[in-house]
Amino acid sequence: NAGVTQTPKFQVLKTGQSMTLQCAQDMNHNSMYWYRQDPGMGLRLIYYSASEGTTDKGEVPNGYNVSRLNKREFSLRLESAAPSQTSVYFCASSGFGQNTEAFFGQGTRLTVV
Amino acid sequence: TQLLEQSPQFLSIQEGENLTVYCNSSSVFSSLQWYRQEPGEGPVLLVTVVTGGEVKKLKRLTFQFGDARKDSSLHITAAQPGDTGLYLCAGVFSGGYNKLIFGAGTRLAVHP
Repeated sequence: NAGVTQTPKFQVLKTGQSMTLQCAQDMNHNSMYWYRQDPGMGLRLIYYSASEGTTDKGEVPNGYNVSRLNKREFSLRLESAAPSQTSVYFCASSGFGQNTEAFFGQGTRLTVV
Repeated sequence: TQLLEQSPQFLSIQEGENLTVYCNSSSVFSSLQWYRQEPGEGPVLLVTVVTGGEVKKLKRLTFQFGDARKDSSLHITAAQPGDTGLYLCAGVFSGGYNKLIFGAGTRLAVHP
């Protein structure tokens, strides 16, 4: 049971470098999300996608771009990494409706030096 | 500032004590979810409350959704060391999509 798969699990970037975080789900979910988690801040929504072909900004979208490549995949891109983007990033997916449960990947620990 | 204010941020108690965690917002949610997160893992859903005033019980955990669907509480009776972890509330916005916003979390430590 794969669920939500994120890659990579760890990454160190230099300031100004770019990278893409990959996320794939095999639960046929419509909605997908990218969050970042900093100490004491819980999870903050970066971008979300309600369905294939649509994306919307969350609480903290600056410095990030996303692509909903198809129903399974939702990628997060950092065009020019900054130390303030050092965080743990989580991808999640959910079905539709009030009772739907969000399933999370194991996270990507990103350090920008 | 976060859309969902969760309190307290930290809680350190002895085994057997009771505790309550609060989640408050000025926004109305279509539903409110509570998750628990272990170190190095993603959050896992505990419960979803949908109707204003709804109360749900999960063994020693009691969840309540406020009448106006703006706030929620989690009460743990006779806490055990196995309850230690990060508890997160999350509000679900309706309107044809599922936008899920989290509170800052409550880090609970239960000591034997």
